[in-house]
Amino acid sequence: GAGVSQSPSNKVTEKGKDVELRCDPISGHTALYWYRQSLGQGLEFLIYFQGNSAPDKSGLPSDRFSAERTGGSVSTLTIQRTQQEDSAVYLCASSLAWGAGQPQHFGDGTRLSIL
Amino acid sequence: DQQVKQNSPSLSVQEGRISILNCDYTNSMFDYFLWYKKYPAEGPTFLISISSIKDKNEDGRFTVFLNKSAKHLSLHIVPSQPGDSAVYFCAAISNFGNEKLTFGTGTRLTIIP
Repeated sequence: GAGVSQSPSNKVTEKGKDVELRCDPISGHTALYWYRQSLGQGLEFLIYFQGNSAPDKSGLPSDRFSAERTGGSVSTLTIQRTQQEDSAVYLCASSLAWGAGQPQHFGDGTRLSIL
Repeated sequence: DQQVKQNSPSLSVQEGRISILNCDYTNSMFDYFLWYKKYPAEGPTFLISISSIKDKNEDGRFTVFLNKSAKHLSLHIVPSQPGDSAVYFCAAISNFGNEKLTFGTGTRLTIIP
């Protein structure tokens, strides 16, 4: 498809396990963003990439969270030693370029449940 | 510190009437504002945006108004249709900041047939 693709769509795992979430941005989009939405909350910014570099990692909740992007395309968000408070919908978005005037196009998210 | 606030968690409007969704912000550095619409189990979809150099932007049934002095924006949908039932998120960003899009907590709009 032509949109942002995220996998898996749902993930249930035990506390303490590591999880890896994947995002395939729209082809040609150089900027990629990760957000999460906890129950009853708005979207919380986590990190963004311009190309393969991440100028701003300030939104990552803890050092258990990391993200990378290779080849200017696919990105993975990794959560190590998951905790129950990590349960949320993790959303990825991409935009044609980096800048305020570039609307972000979102994937359908990965619903992460930590037991 | 909620820099973008949507104080109404829900709103119900009769089909055909006008829906008005409100959003307030506190950061005076924000200079670009967007509205996103979200259906259950789907990602947000961009709806309409406005730059701080304007006070109104219109696209079909959707109009966004910006009052910079009040740090307030609103989304008007007229006429409202059943397919407009969704959660609407207001978002703001600064061209001079770290390009982080800051979202409100959303307003669930229900259009009553």
